[in-house]
Amino acid sequence: TQLLEQSPQFLSIQEGENLTVYCNSSSVFSSLQWYRQEPGEGPVLLVTVVTGGEVKKLKRLTFQFGDARKDSSLHITAAQPGDTGLYLCAGAKAAGNKLTFGGGTRVLVKP
Amino acid sequence: DARVTQTPRDKVTEMGQEVTMRCQPILGHNTVFWYRQTMMQGLELLAYFRNRAPLDDSGMPKDRFSAEMPDATLATLKIQPSEPRDSAVYFCASGFPLGQGMVEAFFGQGTRLTVV
Repeated sequence: TQLLEQSPQFLSIQEGENLTVYCNSSSVFSSLQWYRQEPGEGPVLLVTVVTGGEVKKLKRLTFQFGDARKDSSLHITAAQPGDTGLYLCAGAKAAGNKLTFGGGTRVLVKP
Repeated sequence: DARVTQTPRDKVTEMGQEVTMRCQPILGHNTVFWYRQTMMQGLELLAYFRNRAPLDDSGMPKDRFSAEMPDATLATLKIQPSEPRDSAVYFCASGFPLGQGMVEAFFGQGTRLTVV
């Protein structure tokens, strides 16, 4: 059982559509991060959120941290084929810097 | 361009053989993670270090796996003896604590291990 549950596991959409990926937990995290991983590469950090209710925008990507700091979402507007990849959320607790990852959402954006 | 370097990129070995994976963290980073990634289990944390001291290796099978940091520029993960179920991509990541438990982790390209 994953400490962080991501949904959906797989998402296939057409270019120009919007998508939302969710990351949920029963635990409270002091910070939550989103990474994107492409085939043959390691994950690359997209954003870190630390405050409950926080919303961060990175071009067409919008990240939200839940008020209770137990969940997060990633929304992509007008998806492009370059957004294709594995999206991973990762949580850390206040002590120890232990970074735990969710199972990932595989996103495919078709041209 | 600072990056985490892992060697080898690919390793095929026979069951029972010893495997050593190496990682050079980014200079100045004092936190090093080892993860294993498979389709079934995703990214699993095996062990992590701060200032070369192991903080948590509870995710690692102790009977066959060992992780060390001989110095600040080298982290190693050893499997002895290796088994087919160890086949996976092993990632090393390094970072620096930013407060509130937060670390911005920079990943290497991974070592793809196949045990036959």
